[in-house]
Amino acid sequence: EAGVVQSPRYKIIEKKQPVAFWCNPISGHNTLYWYLQNLGQGPELLIRYENEEAVDDSQLPKDRFSAERLKGVDSTLKIQPAELGDSAVYLCASSLDRSGELFFGEGSRLTVL
Amino acid sequence: AQRVTQPEKLLSVFKGAPVELKCNYSYSGSPELFWYVQYSRQRLQLLLRHISRESIKGFTADLNKGETSFHLKKPFAQEEDSAMYYCAVGGIGGFKTIFGAGTRLFVKA
Repeated sequence: EAGVVQSPRYKIIEKKQPVAFWCNPISGHNTLYWYLQNLGQGPELLIRYENEEAVDDSQLPKDRFSAERLKGVDSTLKIQPAELGDSAVYLCASSLDRSGELFFGEGSRLTVL
Repeated sequence: AQRVTQPEKLLSVFKGAPVELKCNYSYSGSPELFWYVQYSRQRLQLLLRHISRESIKGFTADLNKGETSFHLKKPFAQEEDSAMYYCAVGGIGGFKTIFGAGTRLFVKA
């Protein structure tokens, strides 16, 4: 079992450029999460999916961030345009319905110059 | 407001000494409590959850509803326990899980 797979692991871009992160959850996990982790902080939820449906996106800055989970499996998180303050680690996690335990990917570290 | 507070950013103890990582929470309803750990160069992973009442790697955590605390304890720390520890609180089924800022535990030889 590969676990939750994320790519890219690292991304460096200029401000105002777009960037996209991809996540493949553990097979069979219907719930998928994107978290943002700033340096020295704990993960903060951006969006949660139940299958294809975004059931909680209240913390997603919708002016520049978007996400999708087509077919209820893989997910993509996009930032356009990126700002300096977006530099952080973007974590993807998945879980079985109502199990409570989150399984995390290794994260995608974004640096915006 | 829903909040998880870990008052110590860094905790340094000697090998064999007891260790306690503090966690206080504010959460409406009946939350589930978790401790996640991130070892160096590894991904964030579940250490234990209060509902299972298990001891994992010698760690235990007791939920004190009166004090809204869920402190993590181990009687004899080992060097391999050095890691980043995050307390997390979630709704039933773990939905909308909120994390604390984390405590870095450093166990000295």
